[in-house]
Amino acid sequence: QVQLQESGPGLVKPSGTLSLICGVSGGSISSNNLWSWVRQPPGKGLEWIGEIYHSGTTNYNPSLKSRVTISVDKSKNQFSLNLSSVTAADTAVYYCAREDGRSPPNSFDIWGQGTMVTVSS
Amino acid sequence: QAVLTQPSSLSASPGASASLTCTLRSGINVGTYRIYWYQQKPGSPPQYLLRYNSDSDMHQGSGVPSRFSGSKDASANAGILLISGLQSEDEADYYCMIWHSSAVVFGGGTKLTVL
Repeated sequence: QVQLQESGPGLVKPSGTLSLICGVSGGSISSNNLWSWVRQPPGKGLEWIGEIYHSGTTNYNPSLKSRVTISVDKSKNQFSLNLSSVTAADTAVYYCAREDGRSPPNSFDIWGQGTMVTVSS
Repeated sequence: QAVLTQPSSLSASPGASASLTCTLRSGINVGTYRIYWYQQKPGSPPQYLLRYNSDSDMHQGSGVPSRFSGSKDASANAGILLISGLQSEDEADYYCMIWHSSAVVFGGGTKLTVL
């Protein structure tokens, strides 16, 4: 059974870069699935950040595209999120999720437990 | 105007049915979209419930009870999540989702209270 686990710093300074890793266990990141990042500010709704295929092909939320980079490391069976120039508005729980196919539209059928990232000096 | 609009809250009694709506912005035709539904309980990640496009194009998430079902109301330009036989464990936040212009869009979520 595929499981996802987010990891990374829980505190990032304003104007800095938020960096998270999603480790994939129980399956291969090179399967026919897309892999996504989704975030949720405290007490608010869900926001999709972007997705990646194991080939390295990415697709980003237009509202975040200028600040987001998602990459994949097949040797470590993981994918990563970098979000630059962060502000307090980027404070959120960040989830990684598996999509149930290689071509949208897909559902997010497996989610990590999420990791809280706070942007503060 | 948001792409997807959900009522912020809804209350219903145990054993009753609850109909959660997800209204698409004017100009975006519900008939052309698969509507996805997720359930989220406090402190937990969202859980995929189901997808509905039509009676011939729908999918139930693994282990999701059949009392959760989807439909559309074309006249209201909305997707609907129907939960029948409400149980206390159904109290949660519910989010709808679509793929629009090659990007994922979530609704703002509905907090369902079962009391």
